Amino acid sequence: SAVISQKPSRDICQRGTSLTIQCQVDSQVTMMFWYRQQPGQSLTLIATANQGSEATYESGFVIDKFPISRPNLTFSTLTVSNMSPEDSSIYLCSVGRSYTGELFFGEGSRLTVL
Amino acid sequence: DQQVKQNSPSLSVQEGRISILNCDYTNSMFDYFLWYKKYPAEGPTFLISISSIKDKNEDGRFTVFLNKSAKHLSLHIVPSQPGDSAVYFCAASEGLRAGGTSYGKLTFGQGTILTVHP
Repeated sequence: SAVISQKPSRDICQRGTSLTIQCQVDSQVTMMFWYRQQPGQSLTLIATANQGSEATYESGFVIDKFPISRPNLTFSTLTVSNMSPEDSSIYLCSVGRSYTGELFFGEGSRLTVL
Repeated sequence: DQQVKQNSPSLSVQEGRISILNCDYTNSMFDYFLWYKKYPAEGPTFLISISSIKDKNEDGRFTVFLNKSAKHLSLHIVPSQPGDSAVYFCAASEGLRAGGTSYGKLTFGQGTILTVHP
């Protein structure tokens, strides 16, 4: 299994500001995935981050709101831009095993927007 | 449109008894199903999975059953232990078995809080 570290683990943010979440993996991976879990909701895929190319966003998520960087095979960042209270969620970074489909998740970054 | 549903928000079980967590899905293209466990302040941890070509997969105390005609799967934990108390998520993927492009995209249910009492 992969060891995935996320920073920050939690933060309280003001409306209108932006926050960048970092994700570090202990091994090189081609694809990294960013998920969101809103309060009381299921996990939802935001985007897939490939090293060397632009991230692929799921329906309902756009690059201007959630810009992603993938500078190398072990690191990625997700920025939540111009935050509103509706962005209060747990944001999770994950990597997977292509032959089994299982994903390994980081511990998550809990954001509260006031 | 919730394609994966866990209709029981919570389940309470006595230690040593069986825990049965249920999950229903609507998308007939799903061909791989997974269960995750999540403790507070931690990310979800993979538990067990099943391909759509099977109807049962067992791993120690955990067994997952798949009923494709009913679009239903369940996770059985026997015997249940207090350390099993957590939130359990059902998840599904489509096209994975065929090496499709949906790798990494899991559709999750809303979770069931399992409490195992000593």
